[in-house]
Amino acid sequence: EVQLVESGGGLIQPGGSLRLSCAASGFAVTDNYMTWVRQAPGKGLEWVSIIYSGGTTYYADSVKGRFTISRDNSKNILYLQMNSLRAEDTAIYYCATSIVTPGGADYWGQGTLVTVSS
Amino acid sequence: SYVLTQPPSVSVAPGKTARITCGGYNIGNKGVHWFQQKPGQAPVLVISYNSDRPPGIPERFSGSNSGNTATLTISWVEAGDEADYYCQVWDGSSDHYVFGTGTKVTVL
Repeated sequence: EVQLVESGGGLIQPGGSLRLSCAASGFAVTDNYMTWVRQAPGKGLEWVSIIYSGGTTYYADSVKGRFTISRDNSKNILYLQMNSLRAEDTAIYYCATSIVTPGGADYWGQGTLVTVSS
Repeated sequence: SYVLTQPPSVSVAPGKTARITCGGYNIGNKGVHWFQQKPGQAPVLVISYNSDRPPGIPERFSGSNSGNTATLTISWVEAGDEADYYCQVWDGSSDHYVFGTGTKVTVL
């Protein structure tokens, strides 16, 4: 069974760092792209970052230079290293991937909440 | 940056048809994905690449894309279709995914 489980969220002060994890089961994180999407409280979806099966990565302008997406193929885990956190980074962070249906992300985790506040 | 514009809300009576638009420059040249999100839940892919329906998604959900507008159509709307809907495209010029502003569908 395909499953994505995020962890690592919590309360962090502005300027701090946090690393989110997304543990994958039922498939390999290198099979297809893996992406992070976030949703601020009461707001819409915002794409954050993506890593393709070949390792190419891309970032939203709002996080470029502060966030780093990576994966541990042996542990089958996707990561999002978040540095220099700001209040506007407060959101639920979802990891997602395309498994069955080409194109759109058809499997999502349950999300992990990151709150940036002093 | 590429912008996708959706109407904030759409209201529809049960059994009728809901059409949710997603406007973007030359969006007809891109592959559009549609997601449904209910309160407190992760998004669910309902349409991929303009009109492909993932397994388990009812045939009542269909998509089209031409010119500057992509459309998600929900036929024979049910109470359970009440949710927020988002379109998404890959903008190759910026190497970014972009989400639409989202549309709240209310079933009257």
